[in-house]
Amino acid sequence: AQKVTQAQTEISVVEKEDVTLDCVYETRDTTYYLFWYKQPPSGELVFLIRRNSFDEQNEISGRYSWNFQKSTSSFNFTITASQVVDSAVYFCALSELYNTDKLIFGTGTRLQVFP
Amino acid sequence: GAGVSQSPSNKVTEKGKDVELRCDPISGHTALYWYRQSLGQGLEFLIYFQGNSAPDKSGLPSDRFSAERTGGSVSTLTIQRTQQEDSAVYLCASSLSSSGRHYNEQFFGPGTRLTVL
Repeated sequence: AQKVTQAQTEISVVEKEDVTLDCVYETRDTTYYLFWYKQPPSGELVFLIRRNSFDEQNEISGRYSWNFQKSTSSFNFTITASQVVDSAVYFCALSELYNTDKLIFGTGTRLQVFP
Repeated sequence: GAGVSQSPSNKVTEKGKDVELRCDPISGHTALYWYRQSLGQGLEFLIYFQGNSAPDKSGLPSDRFSAERTGGSVSTLTIQRTQQEDSAVYLCASSLSSSGRHYNEQFFGPGTRLTVL
């Protein structure tokens, strides 16, 4: 069965702090994709990143970076030098390639960045 | 071009009434998904349409929920005899296809907030 666990329900930091959002997944498939989405207060889901199961290279995009480790079934997301605009709910999701591409979401982590 | 649109943006209904939620996918997208975001529950998959194939209804929580997709474009999610636990934001997403060989990104609509009194 597929499952995504985001153990951190809510995180509060002060601006300029680094913060890491944890994501652990379960799947029996060898081919799958992992995602992070951002949901700001406006409510729309904003796609941040997609990684496939064959690519374990870490990725950096500006202040965002992602650490994918198949050995621990984790796909963690780090925001460096956080800003107030980063305040949102962040969802990690899993999609199995041969399972209609439906997204299995974690319960989300609410990040609050205070000035 | 236009993104995924959903209507209404908000719907308040009384327990026991039926409701219909509409989704207009991005033009040319053959795959369409419905998800539900309940308070404290995260996002859960409800149903998936791909072209003329039989829909994947594995996520529908009860037989009060149904959905159809007419002409391969617009989709309507119907909830019959609504219950208070149906209160949630219902999100629709569409993608180019679901070929099983590679992934096509899902684009989400703004959602319909349903409140059942």
